[in-house]
Amino acid sequence: AQSVAQPEDQVNVAEGNPLTVKCTYSVSGNPYLFWYVQYPNRGLQFLLKYITGDNLVKGSYGFEAEFNKSQTSFHLKKPSALVSDSALYFCAVRDPNTNAGKSTFGDGTTLTVKP
Amino acid sequence: DAGVIQSPRHEVTEMGQEVTLRCKPISGHDYLFWYRQTMMRGLELLIYFNNNVPIDDSGMPEDRFSAKMPNASFSTLKIQPSEPRDSAVYFCASSARTSIDEQYFGPGTRLTVT
Repeated sequence: AQSVAQPEDQVNVAEGNPLTVKCTYSVSGNPYLFWYVQYPNRGLQFLLKYITGDNLVKGSYGFEAEFNKSQTSFHLKKPSALVSDSALYFCAVRDPNTNAGKSTFGDGTTLTVKP
Repeated sequence: DAGVIQSPRHEVTEMGQEVTLRCKPISGHDYLFWYRQTMMRGLELLIYFNNNVPIDDSGMPEDRFSAKMPNASFSTLKIQPSEPRDSAVYFCASSARTSIDEQYFGPGTRLTVT
């Protein structure tokens, strides 16, 4: 079984400050991990993924995420937040042993960046 | 590329009516996914196809829901009869064989069943 948790429903940061959106996962083996962003009235957009290799993954729009196997976490980060980063963020996980493409998504975290 | 195209963008119907949602995936993508998003249940995978063949429909809520993919450029999700609890945003997504997990989502269809 695979599952993912986003412990915070909402994250508020000031523009220019660093941001972190948290994600923890549970799979039986090594996970495939993903982050997506959803802007209002839009579909989800792929941000980045971790499959294997370097624990620090860089993605679109200046975002990065760090895979931590011991803590089973994959937190999304950005050094300096922009107001335009305000959106709903989803973490997703897939057990490589499951059918390709069948990822489990978290409940989402709303990020609000204030000017 | 125009991205994943869904129609209609909004649908309001009465309970008991048939609803058909449409999706055109990105050209060349081999995988097509249908999701449902609600406040209560979040984002749920309903069914997905590989090369027009349904691979996993375990997320389809019940027999009132059916999905087809008659060719590589078109898919439908049908609800018959519709019920108020089907009200949600339905997303279609597609991905390429070389990067299955990088899914490209359409703008969604907001369905309201009264």
